[in-house]
Amino acid sequence: NAGVTQTPKFQVLKTGQSMTLQCAQDMNHEYMSWYRQDPGMGLRLIHYSVGAGITDQGEVPNGYNVSRSTTEDFPLRLLSAAPSQTSVYFCASRTPGRNSPLHFGNGTRLTVT
Amino acid sequence: AQSVTQPDIHITVSEGASLELRCNYSYGATPYLFWYVQSPGQGLQLLLKYFSGDTLVQGIKGFEAEFKRSQSSFNLRKPSVHWSDAAEYFCAVGESKAAGNKLTFGGGTRVLVKP
Repeated sequence: NAGVTQTPKFQVLKTGQSMTLQCAQDMNHEYMSWYRQDPGMGLRLIHYSVGAGITDQGEVPNGYNVSRSTTEDFPLRLLSAAPSQTSVYFCASRTPGRNSPLHFGNGTRLTVT
Repeated sequence: AQSVTQPDIHITVSEGASLELRCNYSYGATPYLFWYVQSPGQGLQLLLKYFSGDTLVQGIKGFEAEFKRSQSSFNLRKPSVHWSDAAEYFCAVGESKAAGNKLTFGGGTRVLVKP
């Protein structure tokens, strides 16, 4: 198993550009989520999904869209990038059940100039 | 709303010395608590978790954590630190309905290990 795969690893955008951060998992996990990591603030939940076709907002959803058309994929879209979205983004997944841990990807480092 | 505080931003410890990382949480119900470790350029790896039962939980890599309800704390410890333990450590609390999915993370503690 590859686990949780995020692409790209690095990305530089200009203000106002759009892009999609890709996340795929091959563990048949129903739950998937996106976090952003900023210095001193830990990880903050952006959006999450409890299964294909179902998504919900997390703590910091503004400026981001998600969709979940398949169990495997959970892309994160930035429609109009802003410098405040400069961050490291992590995708995570898990099986249902309280005892199952989150499995994280290796992250995407995004810089918006 | 739940919150997590890690009071120490940086800790420097000598190799072979003991390590304790502090974590305090705020949550109205029974918390589901986690410690994750992040090595440079990597994602987060689960060290250990607490849901119920024995308040001293053992994790991977020789780490343990103790849940103290009266102090709202879940401190992480290791008796003897190795150079490979240099990383950033995150404490997290989960909602009872979907503990592993919607986590609130602390700000992290970066551990530096001196030879």
